[in-house]
Amino acid sequence: DAGITQSPRHKVTETGTPVTLRCHQTENHRYMYWYRQDPGHGLRLIHYSYGVKDTDKGEVSDGYSVSRSKTEDFLLTLESATSSQTSVYFCAIMGGAGLAGGNAYEQYFGPGTRLTVT
Amino acid sequence: TQLLEQSPQFLSIQEGENLTVYCNSSSVFSSLQWYRQEPGEGPVLLVTVVTGGEVKKLKRLTFQFGDARKDSSLHITAAQPGDTGLYLCAGAPPGSARQLTFGSGTQLTVLP
Repeated sequence: DAGITQSPRHKVTETGTPVTLRCHQTENHRYMYWYRQDPGHGLRLIHYSYGVKDTDKGEVSDGYSVSRSKTEDFLLTLESATSSQTSVYFCAIMGGAGLAGGNAYEQYFGPGTRLTVT
Repeated sequence: TQLLEQSPQFLSIQEGENLTVYCNSSSVFSSLQWYRQEPGEGPVLLVTVVTGGEVKKLKRLTFQFGDARKDSSLHITAAQPGDTGLYLCAGAPPGSARQLTFGSGTQLTVLP
């Protein structure tokens, strides 16, 4: 158990409204990630953070912003939600160099947030 | 962007059968991971392979990393209904070990 929680777990919102999803970790990991998962697309990286106030864009960052003011919390904000942002959102943390050796880092995921934009 | 293609996309088999899932790319990865995801939950790491040609076994699951580190396979022997789930491969590009590229997944259903 990597101690990752996400809130809310489910949300329905209307087009044009702002939405913030929260990811909370209890194990002081430096790297945190936000992904979205859609049928046929696997997991796609939205944004990630490599420390407090240090963030960078992923593959599908348009329409999303993030903030990390504390090590344990990573927030994902949809400034003006659109129907195309209906998805399941996963937060992940990256542990230290894995047991596999070398520089292989392993990710551990939260339970996900199902967001529906109507 | 390095792409990972998984095949098949869907697989439905009877309990006791063997199966293989493939994860292919034209790019080299420094490591490759396999995850399993059950409905309503996040992916859970099964294994990490880092060396070309490496084979790892986890009970009835056998994972192999291609010699050129561009592909991987997951073989399940005598599948059980508890193996049902979405299997995802994920690769770390050379020099970007902390950013993973995920395949689109293989949805496995094992019927009793």
